[in-house]
Amino acid sequence: QKEVEQNSGPLSVPEGAIASLNCTYSDRVSQSFFWYRQYSGKSPELIMSIYSNGDKEDGRFTAQLNKASQYVSLLIRDSQPSDSATYLCAVDNAGNMLTFGGGTRLMVKP
Amino acid sequence: GAGVSQSPRYKVAKRGQDVALRCDPISGHVSLFWYQQALGQGPEFLTYFQNEAQLDKSGLPSDRFFAERPEGSVSTLKIQRTQQEDSAVYLCASSLRSWGQANEKLFFGSGTQLSVL
Repeated sequence: QKEVEQNSGPLSVPEGAIASLNCTYSDRVSQSFFWYRQYSGKSPELIMSIYSNGDKEDGRFTAQLNKASQYVSLLIRDSQPSDSATYLCAVDNAGNMLTFGGGTRLMVKP
Repeated sequence: GAGVSQSPRYKVAKRGQDVALRCDPISGHVSLFWYQQALGQGPEFLTYFQNEAQLDKSGLPSDRFFAERPEGSVSTLKIQRTQQEDSAVYLCASSLRSWGQANEKLFFGSGTQLSVL
């Protein structure tokens, strides 16, 4: 079992809808959680970080963390075609690295 | 520089050749990471430097892989006797402080796409 799990997708949503991306992790001592966006052929770009249980909002993005369930999610409101990308969940378990999931490919259709 | 810089952007090697990939982290960044990303997969950790010290190399897949950061800034990832399974994008990332500090964030370079024929 991988340490960080994501559904590979593709997740297809119509323009203007809410896209919901999910991630589970296995290490209970994990402390910091990140969402990266990666366009095809480009490097990962940090879009959200979350460190405590609950919701954190930044513009159209909301990150949600539930440490008891070992679950972190990313909501994208009013999805735009430019949001089409692969979204990578990353977890810091207080080691020497970030551990990434395999990514979920999001397609926003006009 | 303004961001993490990697060179070359693309590298084609014949099987058995040695390659060297370069990373210039953001100026002043203490931590430097190398990740390997296969097509359609998430980045996989290779190694971590804190300044010039290589604190973790547990992700290096074999002894053909070697990384260094002798002066605590530029880093080089060397792959000896390349194999087809080494074909991937090699990403370098840096962070301002030692990894594990509160609210620390990782910033990635554009990567080097290595193709071994």
